[in-house]
Amino acid sequence: GAVVSQHPSWVICKSGTSVKIECRSLDFQATTMFWYRQFPKQSLMLMATSNEGSKATYEQGVEKDKFLINHASLTLSTLTVTSAHPEDSSFYICSATGTRPDTQYFGPGTRLTVL
Amino acid sequence: SQQGEEDPQALSIQEGENATMNCSYKTSINNLQWYRQNSGRGLVHLILIRSNEREKHSGRLRVTLDTSKKSSSLLITASRAADTASYFCATDGSSNTGKLIFGQGTTLQVKP
Repeated sequence: GAVVSQHPSWVICKSGTSVKIECRSLDFQATTMFWYRQFPKQSLMLMATSNEGSKATYEQGVEKDKFLINHASLTLSTLTVTSAHPEDSSFYICSATGTRPDTQYFGPGTRLTVL
Repeated sequence: SQQGEEDPQALSIQEGENATMNCSYKTSINNLQWYRQNSGRGLVHLILIRSNEREKHSGRLRVTLDTSKKSSSLLITASRAADTASYFCATDGSSNTGKLIFGQGTTLQVKP
């Protein structure tokens, strides 16, 4: 149980385009979902926290107009990278919590490459 | 912001040896967790230790926590080539929001 999926697993796009990444909790209802970014050989940096039906809370330094997060249901959150640029190329990972906030279940990640 | 530091950054050992990784953090916590990440993959939860616990075991893993020193260690005994991965500690920063703050990670290579 407690499986989180991400789609797509990898994406290549041209500079200036927008990319949407989906994060789904497959067998539980996710009250909270988190989005992280990970650059090569670095750790995970929390970008934002999203709760179903409410606006996401962004970490300091993360542009909310560039990284649009929608948490429309208890099983789906989406991250849209708008007007992507090469510096946005990274590994994006989502996680979700259910009834226990101290237990996060991580998705497999999405590799974004912006040309 | 990142609050965890891990030591060493990289570790290379022979199969069968033990591997010890250390993590330090800066603020008070409710719990500390260790995760494993294979190259280019998502995170796998290994173990959670609460602030009132000092040691916890899970199979070949042993985690210690010293809240007075704000540090934790992860010991992998009798390592295997399949243990090759990056290992991260993460703390909740004593919040109840579920937010995690990750350390920089230790890259472990176990040579067969």
